[in-house]
This record gives sequence, structure tokens and C-alpha cells, in this order.
Amino acid sequence: NAGVTQTPKFQVLKTGQSMTLQCAQDMNHEYMSWYRQDPGMGLRLIHYSVGAGITDQGEVPNGYNVSRSTTEDFPLRLLSAAPSQTSVYFCASSYGGTSGGARDIQYFGAGTRLSVL
Amino acid sequence: AQSVTQPDIHITVSEGASLELRCNYSYGATPYLFWYVQSPGQGLQLLLKYFSGDTLVQGIKGFEAEFKRSQSSFNLRKPSVHWSDAAEYFCAVVFTGGGNKLTFGTGTQLKVEL
Repeated sequence: NAGVTQTPKFQVLKTGQSMTLQCAQDMNHEYMSWYRQDPGMGLRLIHYSVGAGITDQGEVPNGYNVSRSTTEDFPLRLLSAAPSQTSVYFCASSYGGTSGGARDIQYFGAGTRLSVL
Repeated sequence: AQSVTQPDIHITVSEGASLELRCNYSYGATPYLFWYVQSPGQGLQLLLKYFSGDTLVQGIKGFEAEFKRSQSSFNLRKPSVHWSDAAEYFCAVVFTGGGNKLTFGTGTQLKVEL
């Protein structure tokens, strides 16, 4: 199984550019989420989804949009990139969604390293 | 406010020495507790988890953790560290009623001296 796949692995943007970070999972997981990792701050939740068609904001949602049209995919969109969005982004998925699942193990992708100049 | 604290930003140990990484949480009840490891340039891998029951839990790679309700702690331990254990370690919790949302500590970077 591929697990959680994130593309691209690296990206450099100029301020104001837009882009989409891709995340796909092949485990039929209901729950998917995006985190950003910054030095000294751990991982912070950006957006999450408990199933297709359902998304919600996490701790740091400003500047990011998400949608969930299929169970497998959960893309993260930066509409107008800012230097403050320079970070490493992780996508994660777990089995439980609308049916619950706080105990479910979350599986992480390898990350996308984004630099905004 | 609900929070997770890892008080040690960096820890250096000699290969073969024992290791303890600290994690404390602030919450009125017992959350679900996890330890993840991140090797350089990699994603996060689950080491172990605690939901209820026996307060000493065993994980992968020879790691264990002990939940202490009175101290709101979930410290990670390993009796003998290997050079390959050098990585960043994250404590994470799911606060009950918070769905699947993980709240992470700020991480502890482990360096192993040969």
C-alpha cells in the first residue's frame, strides 16, 4: 500500500502566487487533515475533514482553503502565498470520521517543504 | 486551556545510555496520548499510544511510556539508546470531545553521541 502520498515534495513560490498541495490516501480513511510544522512550534492543525464533502477549520486556517470531493483526496490550496506560509506541510489520515475515531491511529505523509520568497 | 508541553527542546545522550523524554498535558480529564517520531526529512511514525488501562505501554523500537495521572504526564523511555534513534520526538494528545484532532507538543530533538 502507498499509504498517504503528498506531492510535490519541495516547492518554491513567489509572494502572491497560488498553488495546491496534493494529498491522497489509499486506505479508505474517512478522516484527513493538514498540519504545518514550524521550528519550535510542533505541528499545528490547518484544516481537517471527517468525510467527503465535509471540512472544517483547525488552529491556523487563515490563508488556506480545502475541499474534499472524494474519500481519497484532500488538497490544500494557497490562494495568495505569503512568506509566513513558508513551512513544512504534512497530510494525515485515519479511519474514523463521522463515525468517530479519536483512538484511531493517524498516518502521515512524507511532507511538502514550501518556501515563499 | 488545553495544551501539551515538552519542556526539553534538545537532548543529547550517549549511545547505550538510557533515555527519558518528558511530556505534560493540561486538561481536566484524561486524553488519548501518543508519541510520534520524525526522522530527518521524513513523516511522522507512531511509536506508541495510551487510551486506558495499564499505565505502562510498550511501543515499537524498544520504546515504552508511562502515564501518570497525578502528574498529567506521559513520559517516553528507552533503556539503551541506539545511534539510529536520533530524531525528533513529538508527544500528541486527542482531547476527548475533540474528534480526531491531534494536538502536538513542540517536539524534542534527540542527538545520540557515539
